[in-house]
Amino acid sequence: EDQVTQSPEALRLQEGESSSLNCSYTVSGLRGLFWYRQDPGKGPEFLFTLYSAGEEKEKERLKATLTKKESFLHITAPKPEDSATYLCAVQGNTDKLIFGTGTRLQVFP
Amino acid sequence: ETGVTQTPRHLVMGMTNKKSLKCEQHLGHNAMYWYKQSAKKPLELMFVYNFKEQTENNSVPSRFSPECPNSSHLFLHLHTLQPEDSALYLCASSQDYPPHQPQHFGDGTRLSIL
Repeated sequence: EDQVTQSPEALRLQEGESSSLNCSYTVSGLRGLFWYRQDPGKGPEFLFTLYSAGEEKEKERLKATLTKKESFLHITAPKPEDSATYLCAVQGNTDKLIFGTGTRLQVFP
Repeated sequence: ETGVTQTPRHLVMGMTNKKSLKCEQHLGHNAMYWYKQSAKKPLELMFVYNFKEQTENNSVPSRFSPECPNSSHLFLHLHTLQPEDSALYLCASSQDYPPHQPQHFGDGTRLSIL
């Protein structure tokens, strides 16, 4: 059964304090791993798609990496506006998106 | 108008009411989805429509009835709901199905069942 586990459940950072969010997965035939950002009262906003182990993608202070078992979302020198819930999802042979429960990130000035 | 728009944003209804949620996408996509998001739980896929045809029904109770009149519009008709149906209902779209491109989400309808 396809499964996604995200950790930690919640993360509090001081502005400028870099850290990483983890997404561990098991899936039959990975077709893509997706990262989304969700602000309170909003729908998920697409950030990245990773397709194969070793792939990396960057956007501003965010960098996503992928191995055969997990993905990391690295946040470098975060700002308060980076506060949100970050969702990870995988798509395998079933073609359905399987989501994790998310990591709630709070960045304090 | 851009992206995926959902109305209403908030809905409170009794267990015996009938209401409908509406989703409209302006992205020219061919596939549309309904998801349920409950606190502390992952997003749950409910229905998938591709070119107006239902391709997935994820064992959703019959009190939820989807309708897709065209590739731009998606409805979720609700009747005789239960308190556990209180959640955020999200609509999404993608260029095609199976999705080879990311799904784009609306901001959801927050549903509360009294």
